[in-house]
Formats: sequence, structure tokens, C-alpha cells
Amino acid sequence: KNEVEQSPQNLTAQEGEFITINCSYSVGISALHWLQQHPGGGIVSLFMLSSGKKKHGRLIATINIQEKHSSLHITASHPRDSAVYICAVNGETSGSRLTFGEGTQLTVNP
Amino acid sequence: GAVVSQHPSRVICKSGTSVKIECRSLDFQATTMFWYRQFPKQSLMLMATSNEGSKATYEQGVEKDKFLINHASLTLSTLTVTSAHPEDSSFYICSASAQPPIQYFGAGTRLSVL
Repeated sequence: KNEVEQSPQNLTAQEGEFITINCSYSVGISALHWLQQHPGGGIVSLFMLSSGKKKHGRLIATINIQEKHSSLHITASHPRDSAVYICAVNGETSGSRLTFGEGTQLTVNP
Repeated sequence: GAVVSQHPSRVICKSGTSVKIECRSLDFQATTMFWYRQFPKQSLMLMATSNEGSKATYEQGVEKDKFLINHASLTLSTLTVTSAHPEDSSFYICSASAQPPIQYFGAGTRLSVL
């Protein structure tokens, strides 16, 4: 069992739909990251969370430390949101080192 | 936000040659840089962690003589794939950190060894 698990692995949506990607982890963490990887490969850091909820534009990230669970929501999805979304955590004793989930491939169709 | 530049973005080389990939933090000093490798449809795999002025710490199974890492300054780390072979073909990506646990990622380098 991976320390960080994401669901679903693949997600196809129609433009405008509300999207949720889930991340569960099994270790104590100091922070959780949501990353976006576009087809070209470059990675953008979307959020870093240690508690609560963060919002940036149409993206919302939440974390429940007690349940060891985080969600990434995309409102009013758009084809340009199509990418791989990766959940990653910093273990409590790992410093900057990240443990990655397998990623969720999101495709938003027009 | 902070910017990490990775160069080149793509390289094609012949088997047996060495390839150097650069990772620069453009607007901050990175005390730690990370090098990752990613195979198609898979997640990132940490290869090594480098701290400025000291030897890199390699992950188990990563050949340090094959993948040479130099972190000579607070803004530059290099990964050299020595005597590259087709099985080294992959996507390599770096990240830089000044204040853990924040990491900023480069755009990646796609290496194809013929």
C-alpha cells in the first residue's frame, strides 16, 4: 500500500462540471501539496496545506488532518484544466522531501 | 512566485555520450535541490537530494557514478548523466527549496538516448 493514494486515477468531465480529486495518506505529515503537471511535463505547485482550506480562483483545496485526507476541487472546469494532478506530502521527519501519489489524469472536454 | 529554470528542455544524444542538465533558482537562494526521474504514466521518483557545498544524497538504487550531481552554489545544481544508454531515456525534473517544505519545480528535461 502506497503512503499516498489518490482517486480517481483517471477522470473525464464535461466543460463546466465541478470536479473533485481525493488524496489519502497514511503517515504523519507537516504539509500536503497539490501539484499540476501539464502534458509537456512541467510541474506547477497549486497549493501547500497544513490545515483547513485554501482557495485560488476556481481551485479549492481542503485537508482533514485527523482523517488524513485532502481534496482538490475545481469549479466550472475548462479544457485548459486538463492535466495530471498530483498529491504529495512532507513526512513529519522528512524535511523538504516529498512522497508523491500516483497522480490523477483529468481530461475536460468542451 | 519563485522561478526555477531547467535547461535544456529536451535533449537527444547518442549512446555513450554524457549529458548535463542545469537547474537554477532565478529569484531565491536554494539551500536544497532535488532531482527526480519520471517514467511515462508514473509518478516522480526521487533520485537524489543536494545541499549547497556538500555531496548529494542518493536514493537507494540510484548509481552515483552514473548520475553525477553538483550543487556548487545556492542558485545552481547540475545533473550529469554519464555514458548515457537508451535505458536512461526518461523525463528528469528538478526542484529547489529555500524554506522547507516549500519546493519549486523546474519545467523538466526530456532525455532521449539513441
